[in-house]
Amino acid sequence: DGGITQSPKYLFRKEGQNVTLSCEQNLNHDAMYWYRQDPGQGLRLIYYSQIVNDFQKGDIAEGYSVSREKKESFPLTVTSAQKNPTAFYLCASSNLGQGLRPQHFGDGTRLSIL
Amino acid sequence: GENVEQHPSTLSVQEGDSAVIKCTYSDSASNYFPWYKQELGKRPQLIIDIRSNVGEKKDQRIAVTLNKTAKHFSLHITETQPEDSAVYFCAASQGGDKIIFGKGTRLHILP
Repeated sequence: DGGITQSPKYLFRKEGQNVTLSCEQNLNHDAMYWYRQDPGQGLRLIYYSQIVNDFQKGDIAEGYSVSREKKESFPLTVTSAQKNPTAFYLCASSNLGQGLRPQHFGDGTRLSIL
Repeated sequence: GENVEQHPSTLSVQEGDSAVIKCTYSDSASNYFPWYKQELGKRPQLIIDIRSNVGEKKDQRIAVTLNKTAKHFSLHITETQPEDSAVYFCAASQGGDKIIFGKGTRLHILP
């Protein structure tokens, strides 16, 4: 069954701590994305990657970091520099021929501050 | 850059009636307009999209219309059913550029 798997579903962060959100896809998609969703807000792009070992900042990249060592995987680290990390994080993917347009989303990770 | 405004933020309609959600965009170069549906606690799903060379597109009970001159596009859902209750997001993009989302419309279908 093809799709995007995000883990964990819920995550808690302590003050000054970095946390990493996992995103794995078996759709053989080239492009992957991380979005942040806040109540009453649309999805805002954090980072995206169109090819292995390459990624670009989105609209709200400050306080976040990513890596793309494998085509299937695009983990997101929320660093201690992100002062308001409480949000719902969504990973997505698409074929390159679709432009930077997410086709499939994961189920999301809800991050909260302890 | 592109800015997408979406209205209304909340919409309640009686089951069986029609629902319309409207979006406006700022960049006249935008040429791709997708709509996503997100049910409570679930992932967003692409439900329909339209490109700027088309004025209207239908898929069963949903349709999207585009007015390039006025820079607005709308989602129409006919014969609404309880499973249509969700948050709907419009979005816009130019060419292969990243898409910009509206803030969403929470649609309630009343029994």
